[in-house]
Amino acid sequence: NAGVMQNPRHLVRRRGQEARLRCSPMKGHSHVYWYRQLPEEGLKFMVYLQKENIIDESGMPKERFSAEFPKEGPSILRIQQVVRGDSAAYFCASSATGHGMSTEAFFGQGTRLTVV
Amino acid sequence: KQEVTQIPAALSVPEGENLVLNCSFTDSAIYNLQWFRQDPGKGLTSLLLIQSSQREQTSGRLNASLDKSSGRSTLYIAASQPGDSATYLCAVINNDMRFGAGTRLTVKP
Repeated sequence: NAGVMQNPRHLVRRRGQEARLRCSPMKGHSHVYWYRQLPEEGLKFMVYLQKENIIDESGMPKERFSAEFPKEGPSILRIQQVVRGDSAAYFCASSATGHGMSTEAFFGQGTRLTVV
Repeated sequence: KQEVTQIPAALSVPEGENLVLNCSFTDSAIYNLQWFRQDPGKGLTSLLLIQSSQREQTSGRLNASLDKSSGRSTLYIAASQPGDSATYLCAVINNDMRFGAGTRLTVKP
């Protein structure tokens, strides 16, 4: 059972381009979380998704950022018209269930986005 | 809104010492609490998960406790080793998962 897979591991985009970050959760996991980590800072919650539903997107900027977790395929975090301030490590985590049960979360290795 | 605080922000100890990392949270209505470690430039590795009905969990030299009523958790590391040097993060799980800023631990040989 492979762990949480994120790709690409490193992504370089010019200002104004689009960035697409992919996250394949662990097998059997239907809950996905996205986080952003700036250098020397902690993880900031962005969005929490279940299959085909956004449960909580309170941490995601209203403009340029979107996330989805379709019925088939990986979860996608999409950043349109990237700016230098978007440069960060983006981590994805998955868990088997949301709340009310022992839901250990597992993280991917992250995608390091650099905007030049 | 859940706020998670970790103290201290950084800690440096000589090898062999026992140490305690602290995590506090503002909303005690949590489901679980999870401790992670993060090595520089790497992802997060899960260390311990404490369910809301539990008071502690142990794994090797690590022991994590949870006091929901006071909004606190501690991670105890026994007989620290240089390989324990990393950033330790606690995450509180309600309907989502919120992190503290972490404690950066350095264990000197």
